[in-house]
Amino acid sequence: GQQVMQIPQYQHVQEGEDFTTYCNSSTTLSNIQWYKQRPGGHPVFLIQLVKSGEVKKQKRLTFQFGEAKKNSSLHITATQTTDVGTYFCAGRTGAGSYQLTFGKGTKLSVIP
Amino acid sequence: DVKVTQSSRYLVKRTGEKVFLECVQDMDHENMFWYRQDPGLGLRLIYFSYDVKMKEKGDIPEGYSVSREKKERFSLILESASTNQTSMYLCASSLGVEVSPLHFGNGTRLTVT
Repeated sequence: GQQVMQIPQYQHVQEGEDFTTYCNSSTTLSNIQWYKQRPGGHPVFLIQLVKSGEVKKQKRLTFQFGEAKKNSSLHITATQTTDVGTYFCAGRTGAGSYQLTFGKGTKLSVIP
Repeated sequence: DVKVTQSSRYLVKRTGEKVFLECVQDMDHENMFWYRQDPGLGLRLIYFSYDVKMKEKGDIPEGYSVSREKKERFSLILESASTNQTSMYLCASSLGVEVSPLHFGNGTRLTVT
């Protein structure tokens, strides 16, 4: 079945440093979504990418979807303590597919 | 704002018990999902439903069943709970279009002893 690999599993950064998490799929994705889960919380939707090569920004967060629609990345510039949490990518294959396959997530710790 | 409500935040059951996890959403979403979340394994899809009385197996359906008699309610059933089903269970809902995001409930932490 479809697999979505996400690296790194953990990342510890000093506040103010940048952070990137990468997502790779074994199959071409129709779209990819990103979620953030704060400690003790539930995943919350951040953004969706649909087009090949798409880049979207949300303040300090930059999301990219690869040209082949098999990989994606989330980059956070100048991390803050409020960025702490686990970031998940989730991909969909094929038209009409409601099923999302999640990566295992990257847990971000920010040292003040 | 979409609200997805799971009936229990914490649940402790004994091995062999039949367990019901309930989930209700208030936004008339067509799709509903049950995931389990385990450390190091991320979120794994157990079952999903795209319409009333319709269900589809996800990646790990063994040991589970589901029921969707009404559009707003999606139940996960553990027919005979086992210790390896100790986990965080997350319910989610979404609109019935491919590009719709998931809205998650707060989760039920189930412990089977």
